[in-house]
Amino acid sequence: EPEVTQTPSHQVTQMGQEVILRCVPISNHLYFYWYRQILGQKVEFLVSFYNNEISEKSEIFDDQFSVERPDGSNFTLKIRSTKLEDSAMYFCASFLFRPGEAFFGQGTRLTVV
Amino acid sequence: DQQVKQNSPSLSVQEGRISILNCDYTNSMFDYFLWYKKYPAEGPTFLISISSIKDKNEDGRFTVFLNKSAKHLSLHIVPSQPGDSAVYFCAAGNAGGTSYGKLTFGQGTILTVHP
Repeated sequence: EPEVTQTPSHQVTQMGQEVILRCVPISNHLYFYWYRQILGQKVEFLVSFYNNEISEKSEIFDDQFSVERPDGSNFTLKIRSTKLEDSAMYFCASFLFRPGEAFFGQGTRLTVV
Repeated sequence: DQQVKQNSPSLSVQEGRISILNCDYTNSMFDYFLWYKKYPAEGPTFLISISSIKDKNEDGRFTVFLNKSAKHLSLHIVPSQPGDSAVYFCAAGNAGGTSYGKLTFGQGTILTVHP
């Protein structure tokens, strides 16, 4: 069964450092998303990406965040200068046409120290 | 942001019995709803969805019911199995405009099925 894969599974970084979280969505999917879940809280929408551009972003997704699909397969989330409050599980998701069938990756646990 | 709420943080059920997980929403613009299951250290796994034009959708042991007037949906698992023990998330979205595909999640309900 096709799946969304994310790397790394766990990343520890110092406050102020840049991190890049990587995702390989399902190959024929067209819509791509990043979500995050802070420990004990809800899964929150960060950004959606379609046709090589951001279609919507949340208030959380400020100037420190950016997304790219550099080579048509990978989908990356960059945090330019990490803060302690960026510590969370980050999930990548994708779907083909129907949003009711979004597939999620296993997540990257980001720990900012 | 409490647009999607799961008021029960946990539910405990005996194997073979029915599990009923509930979810309420406030945003009338939501037009599709999903249930996801999540194990620790894994991403959410899609279970079942329902469009707002339907009031029921069934897939094997899983049935989702939608009551639009009450802005309420529920997931029924019959019969429940120990392997169903996980966190269940309700999610909702609007298929229109730039929000296409964006999901709003509830807080999750921890289901424990006892043998």
